[in-house]
Amino acid sequence: GAGVSQSPSNKVTEKGKDVELRCDPISGHTALYWYRQSLGQGLEFLIYFQGNSAPDKSGLPSDRFSAERTGGSVSTLTIQRTQQEDSAVYLCASSANQGARAFFGQGTRLTVV
Amino acid sequence: GDSVTQMEGPVTLSEEAFLTINCTYTATGYPSLFWYVQYPGEGLQLLLKATKADDKGSNKGFEATYRKETTSFHLEKGSVQVSDSAVYFCALTPGAAGNKLTFGGGTRVLVKP
Repeated sequence: GAGVSQSPSNKVTEKGKDVELRCDPISGHTALYWYRQSLGQGLEFLIYFQGNSAPDKSGLPSDRFSAERTGGSVSTLTIQRTQQEDSAVYLCASSANQGARAFFGQGTRLTVV
Repeated sequence: GDSVTQMEGPVTLSEEAFLTINCTYTATGYPSLFWYVQYPGEGLQLLLKATKADDKGSNKGFEATYRKETTSFHLEKGSVQVSDSAVYFCALTPGAAGNKLTFGGGTRVLVKP
């Protein structure tokens, strides 16, 4: 596509529910990143994919967070048993390869009530 | 680990004023340095970058010089416009072939007519 697309743009969920956030990277981009932007924490790296594998998942805050990427394209970030502190904007970015310029999506704003 | 520190905002300026946003970093090796900008309602965009010491990145009238001796990458613009109102993020990757971005906390800039 023309840019990185994320869905949904906004998600409100009840505490304890599971959520899935989707990222469609720019076509042909092999590298994909997830970041989280929250008040007081700034922009935090979560996980990096090269193709379908995740060589760096060091930023995932707990085992409630997981992500996968299939077909070297779409990625899904799953948060299980959501907590209020998970409320944030989740950003996805992709790049043509490791080290190339990263293009960001507009993010998914997650609110846990 | 790597870290980026930038001046806190908000910074409020009048149109045509001079803008400086300070950024310092801590990293091992030779990181690449970036400024990203987030305009209201839009996604993060790369503003400029520098990949080695003494390089100057520039774009849209903004400039920043990679200063290894002071571990700094301050952003400057000589004459701001209302359209420059945004949040600015300083960031680094571990090297020219690095992957994940480490961001500063962001600085909100408001330019008044």
